[in-house]
This record gives sequence, C-alpha cells and structure tokens, in this order.
Amino acid sequence: QSVLTQPPSVSAAPRQRVTISCSGRSSNIGNNAVNWYQQFPGKAPKLLIYYDDLLTSGVSDRFSGSKSGTSASLAISGLQSEDEADYYCAAWDDSLNGWLFGGGTKVTVL
Amino acid sequence: QVQLVESGGGVVQPGRSLRLSCAASGFTFSNYAMYWVRQAPGKGLEWVAVISSDGSNNYYAESVKGRFTISRDNSKNTLHLQMNSLRVEDTAVFFCAKGGEIGDTYGSDYFQHWGLGTLVTVSS
Repeated sequence: QSVLTQPPSVSAAPRQRVTISCSGRSSNIGNNAVNWYQQFPGKAPKLLIYYDDLLTSGVSDRFSGSKSGTSASLAISGLQSEDEADYYCAAWDDSLNGWLFGGGTKVTVL
Repeated sequence: QVQLVESGGGVVQPGRSLRLSCAASGFTFSNYAMYWVRQAPGKGLEWVAVISSDGSNNYYAESVKGRFTISRDNSKNTLHLQMNSLRVEDTAVFFCAKGGEIGDTYGSDYFQHWGLGTLVTVSS
C-alpha cells in the first residue's frame, strides 16, 4: 500500500479535462516538492512536472501541477488519445528518509 | 544528450546475488545524486535506493535494506546496485535515474532522466 494515495483510474472524453489527486502527509508532500511522471506500457517513466508545478521542457502545456498542504494534483486539459498512460506522483519523505511513489493512476480517453 | 544504460539483469534463484550497473553519459556524473527505482510486473513504481553525488551518503527502501548496496564510480560514470539474498518478490524491472538538481538535497530533487531498465527475475 502506497503512502501517497492516488485514484487507480480516471477517464474522460477527448478535449475534456481530468485531474489526478495525490494525497500524503506533512513529512512528504507537506514539506517537500512533488513530482509527476508519465509512463506508457513497457516504457520507462518520463518526468512531467517537478517542484510541484514546473513543466519539464518539451512537455505539452496541457499538463499542469499544483499543491496545497499535504495534497497535490496533476491536471490534463484538452485530453487527447495520446495521453492514455499511467501517471505517478512522487515525493521525498523526511521521516522515512526515502522516496515515495503514489500507486499510479491510469488515464483512459473514452 | 543524457543516456543511462542499465545492465546485469537476468534470472537468478532465490537467495543468490546479482549486480546491476548503469552506464551514464551526456552529463557531469559526479554532480548528481543517482537513484534505482524498480517496477514489479504489472505493478507501480517503487523507489529502491539513492546515492549522493560523491558517494558518501545513501538511503534504501525498507524492503531492500541490509540486502542491497548502492555504489558509484565517478571516474567511470557508473552506478551499481549489488543485490544479495534475492527474493521472489524482488522480481522487477530495475531503472536507474539521474537526479535533477546539482548537489544532494533530496527533498527538492526529482528523477529527471531514466534508463530503459533491466529485468531481474528471481525464480527457482
């Protein structure tokens, strides 16, 4: 069971907007940066968002990140079929002295 | 451009050992913390270990502590993961990843670049 909690799946029609939540604690999200990764089946993960809300160079600006307290969110606007993938949040945990990943969220474009 | 190439994976019996390597290029290796992250078949990502830029400091996930050892050779731009007492549940694709920030402030770091991974299968 992941300490960072994400919904297992989200879905929406093309051109709609989806939001993926990532819930943690003061020792991780509350005190450290949250990063988001995209992963296609059989491929390596790719960094999308770092420092809570900074977009990696070359990534579409349809992706955005935010954080409030001990929760973070990844939003995908103007959903496209190519966005179908698994998405993971991650943060350092000061109590564990280690990194935590969320369980991952599968995005489906209807 | 940044390249990370893992090697050393394979099939091993429970209780045996395996050593993974990650050859890095395209950046100043000695400036960045390096990470191992794994993914069991059909499962999510799990952080395994981190080593500081100079190799003097490291941390491990509880699931591998005491069994795995992360190390690096900054003269050869290479990261290693020595895995002992392997268990069936260690079966996974192991990725090496480069930190995003110069220095070793883990709380503000991120996995900026990833290798393609190497598959470790622990089975009798």
